[in-house]
Amino acid sequence: DAGVTQSPTHLIKTRGQHVTLRCSPISGHKSVSWYQQVLGQGPQFIFQYYEKEERGRGNFPDRFSARQFPNYSSELNVNALLLGDSALYLCASSLQGVSYEQYFGPGTRLTVT
Amino acid sequence: AQRVTQPEKLLSVFKGAPVELKCNYSYSGSPELFWYVQYSRQRLQLLLRHISRESIKGFTADLNKGETSFHLKKPFAQEEDSAMYYCALGVKAAGNKLTFGGGTRVLVKP
Repeated sequence: DAGVTQSPTHLIKTRGQHVTLRCSPISGHKSVSWYQQVLGQGPQFIFQYYEKEERGRGNFPDRFSARQFPNYSSELNVNALLLGDSALYLCASSLQGVSYEQYFGPGTRLTVT
Repeated sequence: AQRVTQPEKLLSVFKGAPVELKCNYSYSGSPELFWYVQYSRQRLQLLLRHISRESIKGFTADLNKGETSFHLKKPFAQEEDSAMYYCALGVKAAGNKLTFGGGTRVLVKP
């Protein structure tokens, strides 16, 4: 198993644009969480999905949304990009809905210009 | 709201010296505390959790509820311990949500 995979690795967007980030969890894992990591800071929780339902939401504006598909992969969408959205976006998967044994992906580096 | 503070951004120690990474948290209930580590060019990974009370790679961490701290310690640092370390707090009522501290970079010099 390759572990959690994320795509794309890097991308550059312009202010006001929309972006979609993708995550494939470890096989058998049903929970996916998204984190934003701004340079020099720790990861900040955005969303958790378990069994295709939203189980948690962090303190992020409505421009951020996500969903989980029947195969447990997930997408994070960000609308109306701002310069401050530039960050590393991490996806983490776990076996259960309440589990701190989370396995992180390599992240997607988003740059907004 | 939960909060995790790691007061040191950088810790530089010599090989064989003890190393202690400080972590303080704020949460009114019963938290679960973790240390995550990120080695160069690798993914963020779980190092240890307070409920297991185990030693991983020579590291130990004790939860002190009175001082709301969860410091990470190793008596003899090795060069391969050079990495970024994050303290994290989990609250069961919040599902898988982890609140991370800002991280401490450890540099072990030969």
